[in-house]
Amino acid sequence: AQSVTQLDSHVSVSEGTPVLLRCNYSSSYSPSLFWYVQHPNKGLQLLLKYTSAATLVKGINGFEAEFKKSETSFHLTKPSAHMSDAAEYFCVWDNYGQNFVFGPGTRLSVLP
Amino acid sequence: DADVTQTPRNRITKTGKRIMLECSQTKGHDRMYWYRQDPGLGLRLIYYSFDVKDINKGEISDGYSVSRQAQAKFSLSLESAIPNQTALYFCATSDLPLAGYNEQFFGPGTRLTVL
Repeated sequence: AQSVTQLDSHVSVSEGTPVLLRCNYSSSYSPSLFWYVQHPNKGLQLLLKYTSAATLVKGINGFEAEFKKSETSFHLTKPSAHMSDAAEYFCVWDNYGQNFVFGPGTRLSVLP
Repeated sequence: DADVTQTPRNRITKTGKRIMLECSQTKGHDRMYWYRQDPGLGLRLIYYSFDVKDINKGEISDGYSVSRQAQAKFSLSLESAIPNQTALYFCATSDLPLAGYNEQFFGPGTRLTVL
């Protein structure tokens, strides 16, 4: 069965420092992968998506992610964290629209 | 106006009560989904519908039922609510995966508490 692992349930960084949120997937298919963000008391917003085009994907708010098939990873990065980045982040795997599998989420805290 | 709306946004109810959560969308999408979110578990799929006449169980459908009243409306019911159904519920929609992927658009969520 397909699965998505987010290795850190909580990441804490200082404002202005880099962000790394890790995601690994388990699938025999070539996936579509997404990162969604959920701010407190808000719905989910799409940050970026990988759909087998470029392996380095740029998203909104300065985030980007790199698809590495050899490592079955799709880690999310940002060069410099901002206070407004504090939120829950979900890595999501999609099999050609047949089903959508969420990782457990990583809560990002940004310290002043 | 929001493309995907959910009502109510918050609900507190008692064990054994019947509860309906409603979702409406103006995106014109055929596909609609209901998820629940629990801390540390991400979102888990309850039911999904690919069109008005198509309803499918998801990963955790026990204790829930759904109704697709129209393309734009998809309701989730808890026939007899129990405390472990306390969670944040999300509705989502998507278009056909013509490009091979399935971007979903989420409503703001309904926080349900069962006492």
